[in-house]
Amino acid sequence: AQTVTQSQPEMSVQEAETVTLSCTYDTSESDYYLFWYKQPPSRQMILVIRQEAYKQQNATENRFSVNFQKAAKSFSLKISDSQLGDAAMYFCAYRSETGGTSYGKLTFGQGTILTVHP
Amino acid sequence: SQTIHQWPATLVQPVGSPLSLECTVEGTSNPNLYWYRQAAGRGLQLLFYSVGIGQISSEVPQNLSASRPQDRQFILSSKKLLLSDSGFYLCAWSLAGRWYGYTFGSGTRLTVV
Repeated sequence: AQTVTQSQPEMSVQEAETVTLSCTYDTSESDYYLFWYKQPPSRQMILVIRQEAYKQQNATENRFSVNFQKAAKSFSLKISDSQLGDAAMYFCAYRSETGGTSYGKLTFGQGTILTVHP
Repeated sequence: SQTIHQWPATLVQPVGSPLSLECTVEGTSNPNLYWYRQAAGRGLQLLFYSVGIGQISSEVPQNLSASRPQDRQFILSSKKLLLSDSGFYLCAWSLAGRWYGYTFGSGTRLTVV
């Protein structure tokens, strides 16, 4: 079974600065997707960014970008120009695209609470 | 556009009482549906998933059950709630396909007293 590890329970950043959230995963599969979800205090889960494992180019969505290191099984999220609205819990997630019992299911890490200081 | 509705938003139930949480999706057909539980504000645990009407797969043996009576309706139930069933329950849907992540409902906070 796949596992996702977020080693930083909490992180903080000053407004307008850059912060990087870490995520590692364990899998023997070669075909999968990786996601970052944001959960603000409202607890609504919001998709931030996604990465296809077979693409070497790192995904970017406005101020959010990832550093995907497939060999190292690492998938970090960089938030540039942090804003107060970025304060939330961030979850890294793995989705298997290989056939079998894990197909299509998302496995989440334990989350990182991000605090943004004005 | 697709939307997902989940209710109720909050629920306080006594131990031993039944439970029914409902989730419906609009604007799509034959979605994959999921129930997750988030305990203590941390990671999400997959409870059930369904790829079609009447098809339910359970991930964790527990006091809960799920049903999918219609294509876009997913129900989480219990006959007798336990204190350990307290948590935040999230319904989600996705489409079969390579690019899709999940779209989540707004969640139900369940407190068993």
